[in-house]
Amino acid sequence: AQTVTQSQPEMSVQEAETVTLSCTYDTSESDYYLFWYKQPPSRQMILVIRQEAYKQQNATENRFSVNFQKAAKSFSLKISDSQLGDAAMYFCAYFPGQGDYKLSFGAGTTVTVRA
Amino acid sequence: GAGVSQSPSNKVTEKGKDVELRCDPISGHTALYWYRQSLGQGLEFLIYFQGNSAPDKSGLPSDRFSAERTGGSVSTLTIQRTQQEDSAVYLCASSFRTGENEKLFFGSGTQLSVL
Repeated sequence: AQTVTQSQPEMSVQEAETVTLSCTYDTSESDYYLFWYKQPPSRQMILVIRQEAYKQQNATENRFSVNFQKAAKSFSLKISDSQLGDAAMYFCAYFPGQGDYKLSFGAGTTVTVRA
Repeated sequence: GAGVSQSPSNKVTEKGKDVELRCDPISGHTALYWYRQSLGQGLEFLIYFQGNSAPDKSGLPSDRFSAERTGGSVSTLTIQRTQQEDSAVYLCASSFRTGENEKLFFGSGTQLSVL
């Protein structure tokens, strides 16, 4: 199984400020996918952003962007202009593709947004 | 249905009892996944279905765990002789095809508490 590491159990951010969540992973593959999921108290996992490893350009979705460093096997998530609704647990996930079907998840980072 | 539905939302049981957790995927989705989320942990893959077949059951923690899927739709995860370490949130997800993780839809999970 692939290893996905999120080293920050908790992060706190002031409303309207920026917060960055870190994620590192271990793989010997050259082509794969990375995801960030958001899990609010409702428990339903919501896809925030995805990145294909073969793409050099960092993915962006509105206020969410990633910093993908393939050589360093690092995949951080930046939340800009944080809003109260961003408060949730965030999971980094790795997917090998190529006929595989399992997502490997990190342990998660709880984000608190201060008003 | 409109989304992935899981029932019950919460289940409290006594150690040694059997429990059944149900997942009703989005209509037409052929791939169905079960994940387990223990407190403070990321999601752990349990089993995956393609149609009614389970090509990979390697994530099931012990032979007390089993799952089936009928009619290419509803899936039931059964835990026999529950133990306290089985306490977790059990999440189900579905996608139209295997490996479409960018189009993976999660349910809200079943919170299982074994006393």
